[in-house]
Amino acid sequence: NAGVTQTPKFQVLKTGQSMTLQCAQDMNHNSMYWYRQDPGMGLRLIYYSASEGTTDKGEVPNGYNVSRLNKREFSLRLESAAPSQTSVYFCASSKGLAAYEQYFGPGTRLTVT
Amino acid sequence: LAKTTQPISMDSYEGQEVNITCSHNNIATNDYITWYQQFPSQGPRFIIQGYKTKVTNEVASLFIPADRKSSTLSLPRVSLSDTAVYYCLAWEAGTALIFGKGTTLSVSS
Repeated sequence: NAGVTQTPKFQVLKTGQSMTLQCAQDMNHNSMYWYRQDPGMGLRLIYYSASEGTTDKGEVPNGYNVSRLNKREFSLRLESAAPSQTSVYFCASSKGLAAYEQYFGPGTRLTVT
Repeated sequence: LAKTTQPISMDSYEGQEVNITCSHNNIATNDYITWYQQFPSQGPRFIIQGYKTKVTNEVASLFIPADRKSSTLSLPRVSLSDTAVYYCLAWEAGTALIFGKGTTLSVSS
């Protein structure tokens, strides 16, 4: 049981490049989330998916898109990376929204130069 | 957008009880308050969750007053390994999950 896995672990992009962060969970969870974490800002929700086939914006969605590929996988795409998107990105999953414990992946450290 | 608010940092000594309070004055009526612990270079890890009054598990207690506008995480007899960042999480009415900015707890011997 791997829990929540994220790829890649580290990535360096140039401004304007695009990339997709991958997330997968093997706990048969319905809900999945993408967060970013910046020093002094805590965790901020980018997008979430309450269940397969649905996605909703969180607190800071601008500059990102997501795809809930199936129940296991939830990807985050940066179409045109900007230095302001330099951050650590965490994926999480839970049985359902809000009232359920979230399980977090190990994070992806992204630097945009 | 309303916020959850926590102290930025706290210091303690081994063996003491630590209480960390979070305010969340726009919490959704039917939603829970959850606390997480995070060590450097790791994702957050669930500690405890509650809806009202008091909840206790093997590592912590959570106190929530009747108006649910705040919650207090209580860590009994902390040790050096409890040094971490602690986050409260609430579902804000009509919007989305809002994490606090975290409280950095430093435990000294």
